[in-house]
Amino acid sequence: DAGITQSPRHKVTETGTPVTLRCHQTENHRYMYWYRQDPGHGLRLIHYSYGVKDTDKGEVSDGYSVSRSKTEDFLLTLESATSSQTSVYFCAISGERWGYTFGSGTRLTVV
Amino acid sequence: DAKTTQPNSMESNEEEPVHLPCNHSTISGTDYIHWYRQLPSQGPEYVIHGLTSNVNNRMASLAIAEDRKSSTLILHRATLRDAAVYYCILRAPDGSGNTGKLIFGQGTTLQVKP
Repeated sequence: DAGITQSPRHKVTETGTPVTLRCHQTENHRYMYWYRQDPGHGLRLIHYSYGVKDTDKGEVSDGYSVSRSKTEDFLLTLESATSSQTSVYFCAISGERWGYTFGSGTRLTVV
Repeated sequence: DAKTTQPNSMESNEEEPVHLPCNHSTISGTDYIHWYRQLPSQGPEYVIHGLTSNVNNRMASLAIAEDRKSSTLILHRATLRDAAVYYCILRAPDGSGNTGKLIFGQGTTLQVKP
């Protein structure tokens, strides 16, 4: 969607390797979020950020870390990928009291 | 986080109005009611949000009960492109400790029949 991009769009990686997904925004929004979506579970919040270097855990944060060193970028890292982390990952941004804008998603497969 | 309850699925005929209900009996006085939809193979898309008064935009209308314990998303004329999963979510205001995060439920899958 306009103002938010995710990269890569698709990735296949091996179990045990580190993986970093990037979310980039051009809206200068304060809030950024990482969700994962799996069949039967809907969207689940992994981590979120409410400012540069200000992050917090969501519902399913185990095995994930995040970093936000500047307003426009929010990185999600899988320290050692596992098959259970095969999923579609969505980044979202939000200004204060406005709706969220979601990215197009990253489809990650861990083999 | 306050919870919402939605029917798992609904059906509609094309070009007819659709009323998607949402119950949120534990809503706090400052929670905003947000609606999103997710089309197949896409990320969620913002539809509408409101606090107390009914809201209209180009996509839909949001009718909020006077006691705010329920709301209804209204699609005035459903099209085949409106077939999606619709999520009703409560968002706490900034500064409340929730930092505006959205917690998604299972949503309502809307089927639109030609």
